[in-house]
Amino acid sequence: EAQVTQNPRYLITVTGKKLTVTCSQNMNHEYMSWYRQDPGLGLRQIYYSMNVEVTDKGDVPEGYKVSRKEKRNFPLILESPSPNQTSLYFCASSGPEMNTEAFFGQGTRLTVV
Amino acid sequence: DQQVKQNSPSLSVQEGRISILNCDYTNSMFDYFLWYKKYPAEGPTFLISISSIKDKNEDGRFTVFLNKSAKHLSLHIVPSQPGDSAVYFCAASETGGYQKVTFGTGTKLQVIP
Repeated sequence: EAQVTQNPRYLITVTGKKLTVTCSQNMNHEYMSWYRQDPGLGLRQIYYSMNVEVTDKGDVPEGYKVSRKEKRNFPLILESPSPNQTSLYFCASSGPEMNTEAFFGQGTRLTVV
Repeated sequence: DQQVKQNSPSLSVQEGRISILNCDYTNSMFDYFLWYKKYPAEGPTFLISISSIKDKNEDGRFTVFLNKSAKHLSLHIVPSQPGDSAVYFCAASETGGYQKVTFGTGTKLQVIP
């Protein structure tokens, strides 16, 4: 089954404690992205990746890091989480053509206290 | 600066009637547009898309209209069904934009049986 898998689904952490949210896709897609969803703001792109070792900033990259060492995986790293990073996070993948629909993961609900 | 706007946060429609969801954009470089549907506790799923070389695209009960001069697109659902109740996001990207996608804030559609 074609899918994008995020882990964990729910996470409560404390300010400053480094965390990683994993994302994996099994569709051999070139493109992967991370989004955060906040009330009244919709989905905002954090980072995206065009292929292995190729990443670029989206609209709200501050406080986040990503890496793309393998085509299937695109982890989101919060080196020092802060309460304003409390949000619902989605990973997505798409490809091979540039203008194709994205497949989204189930989401990760992150709370930073 | 919100480049993609969905000015109606919510919409209620009677079952069987037409639902019209609207989206405006400001970036004239956008040339590919998508609509996604999102149920609670799930990731967004792709619904329908349109390229700027077209002004209409249909898929079953769903039709997207694009008015480039007005920088406006709309999603028509006919007939509306209770299962269509969800949050709808429009999204836009530039060809050659390497999957940098901008989403609107979403419209919550409620279809009343």
